Amino acid sequence: GAVVSQHPSRVICKSGTSVKIECRSLDFQATTMFWYRQFPKQSLMLMATSNEGSKATYEQGVEKDKFLINHASLTLSTLTVTSAHPEDSSFYICSAPGTGGRVGRETQYFGPGTRLLVL
Amino acid sequence: AQTVTQSQPEMSVQEAETVTLSCTYDTSENNYYLFWYKQPPSRQMILVIRQEAYKQQNATENRFSVNFQKAAKSFSLKISDSQLGDTAMYFCAFIYSGGGADGLTFGKGTHLIIQP
Repeated sequence: GAVVSQHPSRVICKSGTSVKIECRSLDFQATTMFWYRQFPKQSLMLMATSNEGSKATYEQGVEKDKFLINHASLTLSTLTVTSAHPEDSSFYICSAPGTGGRVGRETQYFGPGTRLLVL
Repeated sequence: AQTVTQSQPEMSVQEAETVTLSCTYDTSENNYYLFWYKQPPSRQMILVIRQEAYKQQNATENRFSVNFQKAAKSFSLKISDSQLGDTAMYFCAFIYSGGGADGLTFGKGTHLIIQP
């Protein structure tokens, strides 16, 4: 249980284009999902919290107009990198909290990540 | 805001040895959770172990155990009988007891290499 998928796994795009990344909870519902960014040889940094039915909340320093988040349903959150530039090249990972019980809602389950390369 | 510190960028041990990864954190909260996540070369984040701050008993999962010292704000991971498949980045992470409303705060990670 608690499987999270991401699509695409890898994307290469030209500078100035927009890229959409999908995050899905496959066997559970997630009213909240999280988006992280990981630069090479660095740790994961929380970018934003995606909330089903309401606006996303962004961490300090993250441009909300560049990183558009839409939590369209209880199993799908999307991250759109608008007008991507080479400095946006990174590994983007989403997660969803557990559903409670033994696992607890504080435990996060991660998608496999999306590698974005902007040329 | 909370911070998580991992002071060992890289560690290397021989297969079957025991290794301990260190983690310290800083928070003013009393109710929180701590985690160790493993990130192998595939970059998929895998939960290794979790600890509730209100529990005094240290969590264990097979070969993995933690030494949780709440007063010292220390949360180390011990891997016994290390295996080649344990080679990975290991991240210590913190979250408030907010019922899943908050994201995780990660340390910088420790690259663990298990030598054959």
